[in-house]
Amino acid sequence: GNSVTQMEGPVTLSEEAFLTINCTYTATGYPSLFWYVQYPGEGLQLLLKATKADDKGSNKGFEATYRKETTSFHLEKGSVQVSDSAVYFCALVYSGGYQKVTFGTGTKLQVIP
Amino acid sequence: DSGVTQTPKHLITATGQRVTLRCSPRSGDLSVYWYQQSLDQGLQFLIQYYNGEERAKGNILERFSAQQFPDLHSELNLSSLELGDSALYFCASSSAAGGRTDTQYFGPGTRLTVL
Repeated sequence: GNSVTQMEGPVTLSEEAFLTINCTYTATGYPSLFWYVQYPGEGLQLLLKATKADDKGSNKGFEATYRKETTSFHLEKGSVQVSDSAVYFCALVYSGGYQKVTFGTGTKLQVIP
Repeated sequence: DSGVTQTPKHLITATGQRVTLRCSPRSGDLSVYWYQQSLDQGLQFLIQYYNGEERAKGNILERFSAQQFPDLHSELNLSSLELGDSALYFCASSSAAGGRTDTQYFGPGTRLTVL
């Protein structure tokens, strides 16, 4: 079946540090890949997505590249801010005629001033 | 603000009871999805409706049911509640039936506490 594996958190970084959150997946067919962010007390918000191999999704300084050869979609940001503190979820949607999303377990990021 | 609304925000009830959670999708979206988020199970897909019809089913218990009405709002009914049903329940919506490139927009969630 389909699955998403994320690096375990929490991840604690100082402001302006470089961020990488690893995500790998297992899927049949050609999935689309997403990163969602959940701020404390809120629902999930789409951060970025990529729908085919070698696509790069980007938003708010975050980037992730769909790597089919390594089945990965790692999230990166060059300089994190305190306001980036949240839980980040990697997710995949596979092409099956309907949209069934498989989420990773989430990685909590804490950025300290 | 995603445009997806959920009510109520919090719900506290007792074991054995039945509750109804409500979701209004973004204007124009035809698909509604329900998710359960708990500490031990993570974020689990429950069920999807598209334009009033059930489209996909995930890890939804038999004690749970959902429907989507002609005005496209959806309700998730949870019955014979158990302590383990305590969780955050999210609704999401998307514009189409759910092709792999569709984006789902999430509501703020309903926190259910079963005592």
